[in-house]
Amino acid sequence: AQSVTQPDIHITVSEGASLELRCNYSYGATPYLFWYVQSPGQGLQLLLKYFSGDTLVQGIKGFEAEFKRSQSSFNLRKPSVHWSDAAEYFCAVGLYSSASKIIFGSGTRLSIRP
Amino acid sequence: GAVVSQHPSRVICKSGTSVKIECRSLDFQATTMFWYRQFPKQSLMLMATSNEGSKATYEQGVEKDKFLINHASLTLSTLTVTSAHPEDSSFYICSALGQGSPLGQPQHFGDGTRLSIL
Repeated sequence: AQSVTQPDIHITVSEGASLELRCNYSYGATPYLFWYVQSPGQGLQLLLKYFSGDTLVQGIKGFEAEFKRSQSSFNLRKPSVHWSDAAEYFCAVGLYSSASKIIFGSGTRLSIRP
Repeated sequence: GAVVSQHPSRVICKSGTSVKIECRSLDFQATTMFWYRQFPKQSLMLMATSNEGSKATYEQGVEKDKFLINHASLTLSTLTVTSAHPEDSSFYICSALGQGSPLGQPQHFGDGTRLSIL
């Protein structure tokens, strides 16, 4: 069955430090992959997506993610975090077979240390 | 572009009442809309997929008589929580896909509705 795993429930980094949020997926083919961000009490905003082609994708707000087929991973990175990046981050996989349904990981809460 | 509006943003009501939540695509026509439920500090769980003009498809374990979904137009889907009880309290989020979206296109999300049943 398809699944998405975000092994880190909560991460705290200092402002200005680099960030990497981990995401692993289980799927029978190359999936569509997404990273979304959610601020408290709000909906989700798309940060970036991977469909095919270049395995390093650039997103909004200075985020990037790299698709590694051999590791079934799609980790999110940012070279220097800002206090405004504090939020919940969700990795998600889109399913070919089910009318654009997506499955979300459990999320990683990011806190920023001043 | 691709703005999805959800209303109300927060609702508090007494146990036993029915509550309707609206999801509108403001600047595009959405043939498919999705309804999610999110418990505190947890991920989004898909409740149902609605296609304009047809019956919604519910995920396993979701009571279709409890959570009524209507998608009567290309810009509006509604979720009605019937005879709501405290265990129905949650954060409900909708998302939408534009007409003709190719497979794998990202969904556009509303800002969610915080439902509290007293």
